Amino acid sequence: SAVISQKPSRDICQRGTSLTIQCQVDSQVTMMFWYRQQPGQSLTLIATANQGSEATYESGFVIDKFPISRPNLTFSTLTVSNMSPEDSSIYLCSVEGTGFNYGYTFGSGTRLTVV
Amino acid sequence: KQEVTQIPAALSVPEGENLVLNCSFTDSAIYNLQWFRQDPGKGLTSLLLIQSSQREQTSGRLNASLDKSSGRSTLYIAASQPGDSATYLCAVRGNTDKLIFGTGTRLQVFP
Repeated sequence: SAVISQKPSRDICQRGTSLTIQCQVDSQVTMMFWYRQQPGQSLTLIATANQGSEATYESGFVIDKFPISRPNLTFSTLTVSNMSPEDSSIYLCSVEGTGFNYGYTFGSGTRLTVV
Repeated sequence: KQEVTQIPAALSVPEGENLVLNCSFTDSAIYNLQWFRQDPGKGLTSLLLIQSSQREQTSGRLNASLDKSSGRSTLYIAASQPGDSATYLCAVRGNTDKLIFGTGTRLQVFP
């Protein structure tokens, strides 16, 4: 299965600023997924990123707040813009494996605290 | 709309016990179901993947079963160890490429 390198692993940011999270995959993948996990909650899909096209956002998430880049088949970034304390969460990227017996692989997560 | 629920929400057991974690989903039209483990503040580690055509998968002390028609999956952990302490998440993939996650079971195994 794919291996994902995600960084930063954690950050503490001031409100009103922005943070860009990076995910690098060791193989080419068509789609990359970005999730948010709020404290004590399960994972919620933010958007799906395809190379060469705009990301598709889930209900409740907008591009101005969470712009995503997907410059090639192995890399993607998620920016959390104009942060507030409510954005404090773990953010994770994910890819789906290829073949019948491969499921989804996740990055190690970015733990964001907004103060 | 697919909804995934996990029971119990939390579980605390002594070392050595055999455990059953439950996952239920409302729409049986799934492509596969995957069990993950998450340590505090960390990412997800895939444990087992069951395709919709399969009934169960095993890996070491873990066994996951799937009853698609009734919308249920169970994760069986044999001879639990303190190192098994983590949150366990199930997730279903429907006909789209999206994973829908359950609410999680927080497991603590004490010596």
